[in-house]
Amino acid sequence: ETGVTQTPRHLVMGMTNKKSLKCEQHLGHNAMYWYKQSAKKPLELMFVYSLEERVENNSVPSRFSPECPNSSHLFLHLHTLQPEDSALYLCASSLIRGAGGANVLTFGAGSRLTVL
Amino acid sequence: SQELEQSPQSLIVQEGKNLTINCTSSKTLYGLYWYKQKYGEGLIFLMMLQKGGEEKSHEKITAKLDEKKQQSSLHITASQPSHAGIYLCGADRGTGNQFYFGTGTSLTVIP
Repeated sequence: ETGVTQTPRHLVMGMTNKKSLKCEQHLGHNAMYWYKQSAKKPLELMFVYSLEERVENNSVPSRFSPECPNSSHLFLHLHTLQPEDSALYLCASSLIRGAGGANVLTFGAGSRLTVL
Repeated sequence: SQELEQSPQSLIVQEGKNLTINCTSSKTLYGLYWYKQKYGEGLIFLMMLQKGGEEKSHEKITAKLDEKKQQSSLHITASQPSHAGIYLCGADRGTGNQFYFGTGTSLTVIP
């Protein structure tokens, strides 16, 4: 256990479904991240919530919608996904002490998503 | 193009052999982090390097940072099957809120 918990671990959904991925951390961290990991592709940073600010990768389609109600919880809402969205979705958290400071990310075990 | 390029992409070694993985950045490094990932699982933090010339070791894994070359290397001595997995280098952009990763190196250790 890393202190970052992701649910569900596996999800199969149709293209017309709406589902959500959940991430929870109790490490006292102030930043949370969503990454996408596809087969044979580098880890792609999707969204960051840091000190109540949201940073997003402009290449992420609008069918992915993040939500961060507080510093301990992060959601990724999924709707009308495509088969190419099938991937491992990783959540991470970190304690940011300021620009240039150490920023060690702690990861969850991931949510394996399959879109049929 | 990727900001962090790793080489080699994959590596297959016999147990007991030494190996090196390299990570090269196209931008200024504010710190270089090494992670390991078991297939299909989350990433586990190995070590962090922040200063040029810095070298850190954990068990049989040693990492070095060459700030001038914007490069880092990860060296494993006397590899074991437990070292198998994907090794990723990571860095943040100095803003404190965007952390990105290299292309990854897949390591297989044959008993």
